[in-house]
Amino acid sequence: KAGVTQTPRYLIKTRGQQVTLSCSPISGHRSVSWYQQTPGQGLQFLFEYFSETQRNKGNFPGRFSGRQFSNSRSEMNVSTLELGDSALYLCASSLEGSRGDTQYFGPGTRLTVL
Amino acid sequence: AQSVAQPEDQVNVAEGNPLTVKCTYSVSGNPYLFWYVQYPNRGLQFLLKYITGDNLVKGSYGFEAEFNKSQTSFHLKKPSALVSDSALYFCAVRDTGTGGGNKLTFGTGTQLKVEL
Repeated sequence: KAGVTQTPRYLIKTRGQQVTLSCSPISGHRSVSWYQQTPGQGLQFLFEYFSETQRNKGNFPGRFSGRQFSNSRSEMNVSTLELGDSALYLCASSLEGSRGDTQYFGPGTRLTVL
Repeated sequence: AQSVAQPEDQVNVAEGNPLTVKCTYSVSGNPYLFWYVQYPNRGLQFLLKYITGDNLVKGSYGFEAEFNKSQTSFHLKKPSALVSDSALYFCAVRDTGTGGGNKLTFGTGTQLKVEL
């Protein structure tokens, strides 16, 4: 079974631009979560989608948004990019998103904001 | 709110020796605990989890973890370290808030270096 895939793997943008990242979960998984990883803040939860609905949200500004499609694929969007948005963005999928479920992570998208 | 602490930024161990990577947690209610490993320029790879049951959890690649409720710890262990185990290790706890959801709170990570 194929793992979680994320595209693109690398992105370079300039301040003020917007960016869209894509995530395809493991087949059959309905929950998709997004995390931001930076050297200073570590791994931080952005949001989770289940059945096309945002079920949980971390403490990030409204510039960070996401959505999930009927096939469980998910996208996250960051508008008006800031230098501090440079990070590795990780997507994770799980079956139902229940507390005992394991989240499986993709390879991440490395975003650099210049 | 739940939290996870990994008190060591780096652990050095000789190949063939046992290794321990420490993790302590703070949650209200029953903890759901996870260990992940990250190799350079890669995503997180699941190693093992504790949900309920036996305090000793066995996982991938020969790793195991011991859940200790009284000490609120979930230390990762391996009897014999390999150079290829060198990586960044993260402990995580599942959010116990209402509404379900899938939020993991991660520790700051421990860099494991296994030397010949």
